[in-house]
Amino acid sequence: SQKIEQNSEALNIQEGKTATLTCNYTNYSPAYLQWYRQDPGRGPVFLLLIRENEKEKRKERLKVTFDTTLKQSLFHITASQPADSATYLCALEGFQKLVFGTGTRLLVSP
Amino acid sequence: AAGVIQSPRHLIKEKRETATLKCYPIPRHDTVYWYQQGPGQDPQFLISFYEKMQSDKGSIPDRFSAQQFSDYHSELNMSSLELGDSALYFCASSSDRGISYEQYFGPGTRLTVT
Repeated sequence: SQKIEQNSEALNIQEGKTATLTCNYTNYSPAYLQWYRQDPGRGPVFLLLIRENEKEKRKERLKVTFDTTLKQSLFHITASQPADSATYLCALEGFQKLVFGTGTRLLVSP
Repeated sequence: AAGVIQSPRHLIKEKRETATLKCYPIPRHDTVYWYQQGPGQDPQFLISFYEKMQSDKGSIPDRFSAQQFSDYHSELNMSSLELGDSALYFCASSSDRGISYEQYFGPGTRLTVT
Protein backbone atom coordinates (compact mmCIF):
# COMPACT_ATOMS: atom_id res chain seq x y z
CA SER A 1 0.00 0.00 0.00
CA GLN A 2 1.03 3.61 -0.44
CA LYS A 3 2.91 5.16 2.38
CA ILE A 4 4.47 8.51 3.23
CA GLU A 5 6.85 8.54 6.15
CA GLN A 6 8.17 11.48 8.07
CA ASN A 7 10.14 11.30 11.26
CA SER A 8 7.50 11.18 13.97
CA GLU A 9 9.92 12.29 16.64
CA ALA A 10 10.39 15.99 17.16
CA LEU A 11 13.58 17.51 15.82
CA ASN A 12 15.29 19.79 18.33
CA ILE A 13 17.98 22.12 17.10
CA GLN A 14 19.68 25.31 18.21
CA GLU A 15 19.05 28.65 16.65
CA GLY A 16 21.34 29.34 13.72
CA LYS A 17 21.80 25.68 12.78
CA THR A 18 20.41 23.99 9.70
CA ALA A 19 17.35 21.81 10.19
CA THR A 20 16.91 18.86 7.86
CA LEU A 21 13.61 17.03 7.65
CA THR A 22 13.01 13.84 5.69
CA CYS A 23 10.07 12.58 3.69
CA ASN A 24 10.17 9.03 2.36
CA TYR A 25 7.48 7.44 0.27
CA THR A 26 6.68 4.04 -1.15
CA ASN A 27 4.38 2.89 -3.93
CA TYR A 28 4.00 6.38 -5.34
CA SER A 29 5.29 7.94 -8.49
CA PRO A 30 4.39 11.55 -7.81
CA ALA A 31 4.90 14.19 -10.43
CA TYR A 32 5.06 16.78 -7.65
CA LEU A 33 5.91 16.98 -4.01
CA GLN A 34 4.96 19.83 -1.72
CA TRP A 35 6.01 20.97 1.73
CA TYR A 36 3.68 22.74 4.14
CA ARG A 37 4.11 24.30 7.55
CA GLN A 38 1.44 23.88 10.21
CA ASP A 39 1.21 25.67 13.51
CA PRO A 40 -0.96 24.22 16.31
CA GLY A 41 -4.66 24.66 15.64
CA ARG A 42 -4.07 26.33 12.28
CA GLY A 43 -4.33 25.26 8.67
CA PRO A 44 -1.26 24.13 6.74
CA VAL A 45 0.59 26.85 4.87
CA PHE A 46 2.22 26.09 1.53
CA LEU A 47 5.99 26.53 1.43
CA LEU A 48 7.52 24.91 -1.64
CA LEU A 49 6.65 22.67 -4.56
CA ILE A 50 9.20 20.59 -6.43
CA ARG A 51 8.58 18.68 -9.64
CA GLU A 52 9.91 15.23 -10.44
CA ASN A 53 12.34 16.62 -13.00
CA GLU A 54 13.78 19.09 -10.50
CA LYS A 55 16.52 17.97 -8.16
CA GLU A 56 16.55 20.99 -5.90
CA LYS A 57 14.54 24.09 -5.22
CA ARG A 58 15.28 27.07 -3.00
CA LYS A 59 13.25 29.86 -1.47
CA GLU A 60 15.00 32.23 0.90
CA ARG A 61 16.27 30.07 3.79
CA LEU A 62 14.43 26.98 2.55
CA LYS A 63 15.79 24.26 0.28
CA VAL A 64 14.05 21.13 -0.93
CA THR A 65 15.55 18.18 -2.76
CA PHE A 66 13.65 15.44 -4.55
CA ASP A 67 15.25 12.09 -5.33
CA THR A 68 12.80 9.97 -7.30
CA THR A 69 15.21 7.03 -7.29
CA LEU A 70 15.49 6.97 -3.52
CA LYS A 71 11.84 8.05 -3.23
CA GLN A 72 12.87 10.72 -0.80
CA SER A 73 12.66 14.45 -0.29
CA LEU A 74 14.79 16.46 2.09
CA PHE A 75 13.65 19.80 3.46
CA HIS A 76 16.30 22.14 4.83
CA ILE A 77 15.94 25.34 6.83
CA THR A 78 19.21 27.21 7.09
CA ALA A 79 20.02 29.72 9.84
CA SER A 80 17.01 28.42 11.77
CA GLN A 81 15.11 30.72 14.10
CA PRO A 82 12.76 30.02 17.03
CA ALA A 83 9.95 31.32 14.77
CA ASP A 84 10.58 28.32 12.51
CA SER A 85 9.26 26.02 15.23
CA ALA A 86 6.24 24.25 13.79
CA THR A 87 5.17 20.96 12.23
CA TYR A 88 6.28 20.45 8.65
CA LEU A 89 4.24 18.24 6.37
CA CYS A 90 5.21 16.80 3.04
CA ALA A 91 2.44 16.09 0.57
CA LEU A 92 2.43 14.02 -2.58
CA GLU A 93 0.16 13.90 -5.55
CA GLY A 94 -1.64 10.58 -5.31
CA PHE A 95 -4.46 9.64 -7.66
CA GLN A 96 -5.49 13.20 -8.39
CA LYS A 97 -5.36 14.38 -4.80
CA LEU A 98 -2.82 15.47 -2.26
CA VAL A 99 -1.84 12.94 0.35
CA PHE A 100 -0.08 14.25 3.43
CA GLY A 101 2.59 12.68 5.55
CA THR A 102 2.22 12.67 9.31
CA GLY A 103 4.57 15.63 9.70
CA THR A 104 7.68 16.30 11.72
CA ARG A 105 7.65 18.75 14.59
CA LEU A 106 10.62 21.12 14.58
CA LEU A 107 11.69 22.91 17.76
CA VAL A 108 14.31 25.63 17.44
CA SER A 109 15.68 26.79 20.75
CA PRO A 110 17.37 30.17 21.27
CA ALA B 1 -4.80 39.37 0.28
CA ALA B 2 -8.04 37.49 0.73
CA GLY B 3 -7.74 34.08 2.32
CA VAL B 4 -10.00 31.08 2.67
CA ILE B 5 -12.79 31.74 5.13
CA GLN B 6 -14.38 29.02 7.21
CA SER B 7 -17.32 29.24 9.53
CA PRO B 8 -17.96 28.60 12.26
CA ARG B 9 -14.53 28.44 13.83
CA HIS B 10 -15.74 26.34 16.72
CA LEU B 11 -18.74 24.08 16.95
CA ILE B 12 -19.99 21.89 19.76
CA LYS B 13 -22.61 19.27 19.00
CA GLU B 14 -24.06 16.26 20.72
CA LYS B 15 -24.01 12.72 19.40
CA ARG B 16 -26.54 12.05 16.65
CA GLU B 17 -26.92 15.75 15.88
CA THR B 18 -26.23 17.40 12.53
CA ALA B 19 -23.57 19.98 11.69
CA THR B 20 -22.95 22.19 8.67
CA LEU B 21 -19.53 23.67 7.99
CA LYS B 22 -19.04 26.43 5.46
CA CYS B 23 -16.09 27.37 3.31
CA TYR B 24 -15.53 30.46 1.18
CA PRO B 25 -12.56 29.97 -1.16
CA ILE B 26 -10.15 32.60 -2.33
CA PRO B 27 -11.73 34.67 -5.13
CA ARG B 28 -11.20 33.14 -8.58
CA HIS B 29 -10.19 29.79 -7.13
CA ASP B 30 -12.25 27.08 -8.78
CA THR B 31 -11.40 24.07 -6.63
CA VAL B 32 -12.32 23.38 -3.02
CA TYR B 33 -11.03 20.56 -0.83
CA TRP B 34 -12.19 19.34 2.57
CA TYR B 35 -9.85 17.68 5.05
CA GLN B 36 -10.31 16.18 8.49
CA GLN B 37 -7.46 16.30 10.99
CA GLY B 38 -7.64 14.40 14.24
CA PRO B 39 -5.35 15.23 17.17
CA GLY B 40 -1.74 14.49 16.29
CA GLN B 41 -2.68 13.22 12.85
CA ASP B 42 -2.09 14.41 9.30
CA PRO B 43 -4.90 16.01 7.32
CA GLN B 44 -7.06 13.33 5.72
CA PHE B 45 -8.65 14.19 2.42
CA LEU B 46 -12.44 13.94 2.43
CA ILE B 47 -13.78 15.35 -0.82
CA SER B 48 -13.10 17.96 -3.48
CA PHE B 49 -15.06 20.01 -5.98
CA TYR B 50 -13.97 21.57 -9.24
CA GLU B 51 -16.24 24.06 -10.91
CA LYS B 52 -19.12 23.00 -8.66
CA MET B 53 -18.84 19.33 -9.56
CA GLN B 54 -17.45 16.68 -7.24
CA SER B 55 -13.99 15.91 -8.56
CA ASP B 56 -12.67 13.38 -6.08
CA LYS B 57 -13.66 11.53 -2.98
CA GLY B 58 -11.51 10.29 -0.16
CA SER B 59 -12.28 8.79 3.20
CA ILE B 60 -15.56 10.61 3.68
CA PRO B 61 -18.18 8.69 5.69
CA ASP B 62 -21.57 8.12 4.10
CA ARG B 63 -23.04 10.25 6.90
CA PHE B 64 -21.26 13.26 5.41
CA SER B 65 -22.15 15.08 2.23
CA ALA B 66 -20.85 18.21 0.61
CA GLN B 67 -21.55 20.49 -2.29
CA GLN B 68 -20.17 23.54 -4.00
CA PHE B 69 -22.54 26.34 -4.88
CA SER B 70 -22.73 28.72 -7.82
CA ASP B 71 -20.71 31.34 -5.92
CA TYR B 72 -18.04 28.65 -5.34
CA HIS B 73 -18.56 28.45 -1.61
CA SER B 74 -18.86 24.95 -0.25
CA GLU B 75 -20.69 23.32 2.63
CA LEU B 76 -19.91 20.08 4.42
CA ASN B 77 -22.96 18.51 6.00
CA MET B 78 -22.43 15.98 8.74
CA SER B 79 -25.28 13.94 10.15
CA SER B 80 -25.64 11.39 12.95
CA LEU B 81 -22.52 12.78 14.55
CA GLU B 82 -20.30 10.41 16.48
CA LEU B 83 -17.69 11.10 19.14
CA GLY B 84 -15.01 10.11 16.62
CA ASP B 85 -16.02 12.96 14.35
CA SER B 86 -14.44 15.41 16.78
CA ALA B 87 -11.59 16.95 14.81
CA LEU B 88 -10.36 20.00 12.98
CA TYR B 89 -11.98 20.36 9.57
CA PHE B 90 -10.04 22.31 7.02
CA CYS B 91 -11.14 23.65 3.72
CA ALA B 92 -8.56 24.50 1.08
CA SER B 93 -8.88 26.15 -2.28
CA SER B 94 -6.75 26.32 -5.37
CA SER B 95 -6.85 27.25 -8.99
CA ASP B 96 -6.21 24.78 -11.77
CA ARG B 97 -7.31 21.81 -9.61
CA GLY B 98 -4.43 22.32 -7.21
CA ILE B 99 -2.69 19.08 -7.93
CA SER B 100 0.31 20.69 -9.47
CA TYR B 101 -0.08 23.90 -7.54
CA GLU B 102 -0.35 24.82 -3.93
CA GLN B 103 -3.50 24.61 -1.91
CA TYR B 104 -4.48 27.46 0.36
CA PHE B 105 -5.96 26.33 3.64
CA GLY B 106 -8.51 28.06 5.79
CA PRO B 107 -8.19 28.44 9.56
CA GLY B 108 -10.33 25.38 10.16
CA THR B 109 -13.46 24.56 12.11
CA ARG B 110 -12.94 22.75 15.38
CA LEU B 111 -15.82 20.35 15.85
CA THR B 112 -16.37 18.82 19.26
CA VAL B 113 -18.97 16.08 19.59
CA THR B 114 -20.06 15.33 23.15
